[in-house]
Amino acid sequence: TQLLEQSPQFLSIQEGENLTVYCNSSSVFSSLQWYRQEPGEGPVLLVTVVTGGEVKKLKRLTFQFGDARKDSSLHITAAQPGDTGLYLCAGAKGGNQFYFGTGTSLTVIP
Amino acid sequence: NAGVTQTPKFQVLKTGQSMTLQCAQDMNHNSMYWYRQDPGMGLRLIYYSASEGTTDKGEVPNGYNVSRLNKREFSLRLESAAPSQTSVYFCASSEGETVYGYTFGSGTRLTVV
Repeated sequence: TQLLEQSPQFLSIQEGENLTVYCNSSSVFSSLQWYRQEPGEGPVLLVTVVTGGEVKKLKRLTFQFGDARKDSSLHITAAQPGDTGLYLCAGAKGGNQFYFGTGTSLTVIP
Repeated sequence: NAGVTQTPKFQVLKTGQSMTLQCAQDMNHNSMYWYRQDPGMGLRLIYYSASEGTTDKGEVPNGYNVSRLNKREFSLRLESAAPSQTSVYFCASSEGETVYGYTFGSGTRLTVV
Protein backbone atom coordinates (compact mmCIF):
# COMPACT_ATOMS: atom_id res chain seq x y z
CA THR A 1 0.00 0.00 0.00
CA GLN A 2 1.16 3.49 -0.86
CA LEU A 3 1.62 5.97 1.96
CA LEU A 4 0.80 8.83 -0.39
CA GLU A 5 -1.93 8.68 -3.02
CA GLN A 6 -1.99 11.12 -5.89
CA SER A 7 -4.94 12.02 -8.08
CA PRO A 8 -5.59 12.10 -10.87
CA GLN A 9 -3.12 9.53 -12.16
CA PHE A 10 -3.29 10.94 -15.71
CA LEU A 11 -4.34 14.39 -16.88
CA SER A 12 -4.50 15.75 -20.43
CA ILE A 13 -5.54 19.37 -20.89
CA GLN A 14 -5.39 22.16 -23.46
CA GLU A 15 -2.86 24.96 -23.21
CA GLY A 16 -4.23 27.82 -21.11
CA GLU A 17 -6.43 25.68 -18.84
CA ASN A 18 -6.05 25.48 -15.09
CA LEU A 19 -5.56 22.25 -13.16
CA THR A 20 -5.10 20.89 -9.64
CA VAL A 21 -3.24 17.77 -8.57
CA TYR A 22 -3.85 16.23 -5.16
CA CYS A 23 -1.60 14.30 -2.79
CA ASN A 24 -3.36 12.59 0.12
CA SER A 25 -2.41 10.42 3.07
CA SER A 26 -3.70 9.26 6.43
CA SER A 27 -0.24 9.94 7.89
CA VAL A 28 1.19 13.18 9.21
CA PHE A 29 4.36 14.46 7.57
CA SER A 30 7.02 16.79 8.93
CA SER A 31 7.51 18.24 5.45
CA LEU A 32 6.30 17.61 1.94
CA GLN A 33 7.90 18.20 -1.40
CA TRP A 34 6.82 18.31 -5.02
CA TYR A 35 9.02 17.15 -7.89
CA ARG A 36 8.64 17.22 -11.67
CA GLN A 37 10.13 14.47 -13.80
CA GLU A 38 10.61 14.56 -17.54
CA PRO A 39 11.05 11.41 -19.67
CA GLY A 40 14.49 9.86 -19.33
CA GLU A 41 15.47 12.11 -16.45
CA GLY A 42 15.40 12.05 -12.68
CA PRO A 43 12.87 14.06 -10.65
CA VAL A 44 13.69 17.71 -10.04
CA LEU A 45 12.65 19.43 -6.82
CA LEU A 46 10.04 22.20 -7.26
CA VAL A 47 9.18 23.17 -3.68
CA THR A 48 9.28 22.16 -0.02
CA VAL A 49 6.45 22.98 2.42
CA VAL A 50 6.92 22.45 6.14
CA THR A 51 4.12 24.27 8.00
CA GLY A 52 0.48 23.18 8.09
CA GLY A 53 -1.58 25.55 5.92
CA GLU A 54 1.50 26.89 4.15
CA VAL A 55 1.06 28.19 0.60
CA LYS A 56 3.98 28.70 -1.76
CA LYS A 57 3.92 30.13 -5.26
CA LEU A 58 6.40 29.43 -8.03
CA LYS A 59 5.38 31.54 -11.05
CA ARG A 60 2.15 29.87 -12.28
CA LEU A 61 2.38 26.99 -9.77
CA THR A 62 0.74 27.23 -6.33
CA PHE A 63 1.49 24.63 -3.66
CA GLN A 64 -0.49 24.17 -0.47
CA PHE A 65 0.19 21.99 2.57
CA GLY A 66 -2.90 20.86 4.44
CA ASP A 67 -3.59 22.24 7.90
CA ALA A 68 -3.13 18.79 9.45
CA ARG A 69 0.01 18.14 7.35
CA LYS A 70 -1.54 15.01 5.82
CA ASP A 71 -2.21 16.29 2.31
CA SER A 72 -1.09 18.76 -0.31
CA SER A 73 -2.20 20.21 -3.61
CA LEU A 74 -0.51 21.65 -6.66
CA HIS A 75 -2.45 24.15 -8.77
CA ILE A 76 -1.22 25.26 -12.19
CA THR A 77 -2.70 28.38 -13.75
CA ALA A 78 -2.78 28.77 -17.53
CA ALA A 79 -0.88 25.55 -18.24
CA GLN A 80 1.84 25.61 -20.89
CA PRO A 81 3.28 22.72 -22.96
CA GLY A 82 6.48 23.11 -20.94
CA ASP A 83 4.53 22.01 -17.85
CA THR A 84 4.17 18.52 -19.32
CA GLY A 85 5.73 15.87 -17.11
CA LEU A 86 5.26 13.52 -14.18
CA TYR A 87 4.51 15.33 -10.92
CA LEU A 88 5.50 13.54 -7.73
CA CYS A 89 4.78 14.44 -4.14
CA ALA A 90 7.04 13.15 -1.38
CA GLY A 91 6.52 13.27 2.38
CA ALA A 92 9.03 13.05 5.21
CA LYS A 93 8.09 11.45 8.53
CA GLY A 94 11.27 12.30 10.36
CA GLY A 95 14.76 11.12 9.71
CA ASN A 96 16.08 11.91 6.26
CA GLN A 97 14.09 9.76 3.89
CA PHE A 98 11.02 10.55 1.83
CA TYR A 99 8.01 8.49 0.84
CA PHE A 100 6.91 9.17 -2.70
CA GLY A 101 3.43 9.28 -4.15
CA THR A 102 2.39 7.32 -7.23
CA GLY A 103 2.66 10.37 -9.50
CA THR A 104 0.42 12.38 -11.82
CA SER A 105 1.28 12.35 -15.50
CA LEU A 106 0.35 15.71 -17.04
CA THR A 107 0.14 16.39 -20.76
CA VAL A 108 -0.52 19.94 -21.95
CA ILE A 109 -1.66 20.03 -25.56
CA PRO A 110 -0.68 23.12 -27.58
CA ASN B 1 28.65 21.05 -11.60
CA ALA B 2 27.71 17.49 -12.54
CA GLY B 3 25.46 16.91 -9.50
CA VAL B 4 24.64 13.19 -9.29
CA THR B 5 26.16 10.94 -11.94
CA GLN B 6 24.91 7.40 -12.55
CA THR B 7 26.45 4.71 -14.74
CA PRO B 8 25.48 2.92 -16.86
CA LYS B 9 22.37 4.55 -18.38
CA PHE B 10 21.08 1.31 -19.89
CA GLN B 11 21.79 -2.35 -19.14
CA VAL B 12 20.37 -5.71 -20.18
CA LEU B 13 21.14 -8.70 -17.98
CA LYS B 14 20.30 -12.35 -18.18
CA THR B 15 18.62 -13.95 -15.17
CA GLY B 16 21.26 -14.92 -12.63
CA GLN B 17 23.90 -12.46 -13.80
CA SER B 18 25.35 -9.89 -11.41
CA MET B 19 26.14 -6.23 -11.85
CA THR B 20 26.92 -3.06 -9.95
CA LEU B 21 25.26 0.30 -10.54
CA GLN B 22 27.56 3.21 -9.80
CA CYS B 23 26.61 6.58 -8.35
CA ALA B 24 28.75 9.60 -7.52
CA GLN B 25 27.85 13.11 -6.29
CA ASP B 26 30.01 16.21 -6.22
CA MET B 27 27.89 18.38 -3.88
CA ASN B 28 29.50 17.23 -0.62
CA HIS B 29 26.14 15.80 0.49
CA ASN B 30 26.05 13.57 3.55
CA SER B 31 23.18 11.28 2.56
CA MET B 32 22.73 9.10 -0.50
CA TYR B 33 19.86 6.90 -1.65
CA TRP B 34 18.91 4.23 -4.15
CA TYR B 35 15.33 4.13 -5.47
CA ARG B 36 13.59 2.03 -8.08
CA GLN B 37 10.73 3.38 -10.17
CA ASP B 38 8.08 1.10 -11.61
CA PRO B 39 4.86 2.05 -13.42
CA GLY B 40 2.01 2.66 -11.00
CA MET B 41 4.28 2.12 -7.98
CA GLY B 42 6.06 5.43 -7.74
CA LEU B 43 9.58 5.61 -6.35
CA ARG B 44 10.44 3.01 -3.72
CA LEU B 45 13.50 3.21 -1.49
CA ILE B 46 15.91 0.26 -1.75
CA TYR B 47 18.77 1.33 0.53
CA TYR B 48 20.12 4.55 1.89
CA SER B 49 23.25 5.87 3.57
CA ALA B 50 22.65 8.66 6.05
CA SER B 51 26.36 9.39 6.28
CA GLU B 52 29.68 7.96 5.19
CA GLY B 53 30.20 4.56 6.79
CA THR B 54 26.53 3.76 7.40
CA THR B 55 23.89 2.00 5.30
CA ASP B 56 20.28 1.05 6.06
CA LYS B 57 17.53 -0.92 4.37
CA GLY B 58 14.63 0.85 2.78
CA GLU B 59 11.24 -0.44 1.69
CA VAL B 60 12.41 -3.02 -0.91
CA PRO B 61 15.97 -4.21 -0.07
CA ASN B 62 15.69 -7.91 -0.97
CA GLY B 63 18.03 -8.98 -3.77
CA TYR B 64 20.26 -5.91 -3.44
CA ASN B 65 23.40 -4.88 -1.59
CA VAL B 66 25.04 -1.47 -1.29
CA SER B 67 28.43 0.01 -0.52
CA ARG B 68 29.14 3.57 0.58
CA LEU B 69 32.68 3.67 -0.76
CA ASN B 70 33.39 7.21 0.45
CA LYS B 71 31.42 10.43 0.86
CA ARG B 72 31.02 10.81 -2.91
CA GLU B 73 30.19 7.29 -4.05
CA PHE B 74 27.33 4.89 -3.31
CA SER B 75 27.01 1.70 -5.35
CA LEU B 76 24.13 -0.77 -5.71
CA ARG B 77 24.82 -4.43 -6.47
CA LEU B 78 22.52 -7.09 -7.84
CA GLU B 79 24.12 -10.43 -7.00
CA SER B 80 21.76 -12.66 -9.01
CA ALA B 81 19.44 -10.64 -11.20
CA ALA B 82 15.77 -11.64 -11.54
CA PRO B 83 13.14 -10.43 -14.03
CA SER B 84 11.33 -8.75 -11.10
CA GLN B 85 14.30 -6.40 -10.84
CA THR B 86 13.59 -4.92 -14.25
CA SER B 87 13.10 -1.27 -13.43
CA VAL B 88 14.54 2.21 -13.63
CA TYR B 89 16.99 2.84 -10.81
CA PHE B 90 17.69 6.30 -9.44
CA CYS B 91 20.43 7.44 -7.14
CA ALA B 92 19.86 10.59 -5.09
CA SER B 93 21.74 12.65 -2.57
CA SER B 94 20.77 15.23 0.06
CA GLU B 95 22.26 17.42 2.76
CA GLY B 96 20.69 15.03 5.25
CA GLU B 97 17.90 17.21 6.55
CA THR B 98 14.63 16.48 4.76
CA VAL B 99 13.82 20.14 4.22
CA TYR B 100 16.56 20.35 1.59
CA GLY B 101 15.15 17.64 -0.64
CA TYR B 102 16.89 15.31 -3.00
CA THR B 103 19.08 15.79 -6.04
CA PHE B 104 18.53 12.87 -8.39
CA GLY B 105 20.71 11.33 -11.06
CA SER B 106 19.30 10.66 -14.52
CA GLY B 107 18.69 6.97 -13.86
CA THR B 108 19.72 3.51 -15.07
CA ARG B 109 17.19 1.56 -17.10
CA LEU B 110 17.76 -2.12 -16.30
CA THR B 111 16.13 -5.01 -18.10
CA VAL B 112 16.53 -8.58 -16.84
CA VAL B 113 15.59 -11.25 -19.38
